[in-house]
Amino acid sequence: GESVGLHLPTLSVQEGDNSIINCAYSNSASDYFIWYKQESGKGPQFIIDIRSNMDKRQGQRVTVLLNKTVKHLSLQIAATQPGDSAVYFCAENGETSYDKVIFGPGTSLSVIP
Amino acid sequence: DAGVIQSPRHEVTEMGQEVTLRCKPISGHDYLFWYRQTMMRGLELLIYFNNNVPIDDSGMPEDRFSAKMPNASFSTLKIQPSEPRDSAVYFCASTLKTGAGALHFGNGTRLTVT
Repeated sequence: GESVGLHLPTLSVQEGDNSIINCAYSNSASDYFIWYKQESGKGPQFIIDIRSNMDKRQGQRVTVLLNKTVKHLSLQIAATQPGDSAVYFCAENGETSYDKVIFGPGTSLSVIP
Repeated sequence: DAGVIQSPRHEVTEMGQEVTLRCKPISGHDYLFWYRQTMMRGLELLIYFNNNVPIDDSGMPEDRFSAKMPNASFSTLKIQPSEPRDSAVYFCASTLKTGAGALHFGNGTRLTVT
């Protein structure tokens, strides 16, 4: 039968605007979350992390928000730049093993100059 | 540090051939992970090691796949025999401690099986 590819959510933003990328995680017991950025031809790279005892953490131009009630993470990028164009993944500890790191499907961010 | 080093960067092979992917983790990292990335399934965890010992291989798709870590500085992922559906980008990642730091990824091996 016909196969269906993974439909990667896409976000297009104007350069200089703020970007918000959302992620729903699966395991209510997960206590550590990371956002990764993947540029074409490269492996995912760490952006920012957050533990479950926090609601918000800020880095340079990036902020991660965690809502444990609805199992939702978001990544906010301030003053988005062309170099921010990439695929962004959230990751969490695995359900059955603390060591396993499970990735979400990813969101493609495209910055319009 | 040079980061996680994977080889080869690209591999093209014919169906039925054996394929070996290689990874050198960051020195001192106790954990090593193998992931596969495809458009169909995204980033899938295949197997991971702690202190050279395989801890969880439940993500390995079939018996055709095997992984080894003979020492702290080297791991291999082998596919024998390879099939066209194995075509993907395979990533290796290492970390010092899970649950407290990021995975450091290599740049991957793009495998094409014809």
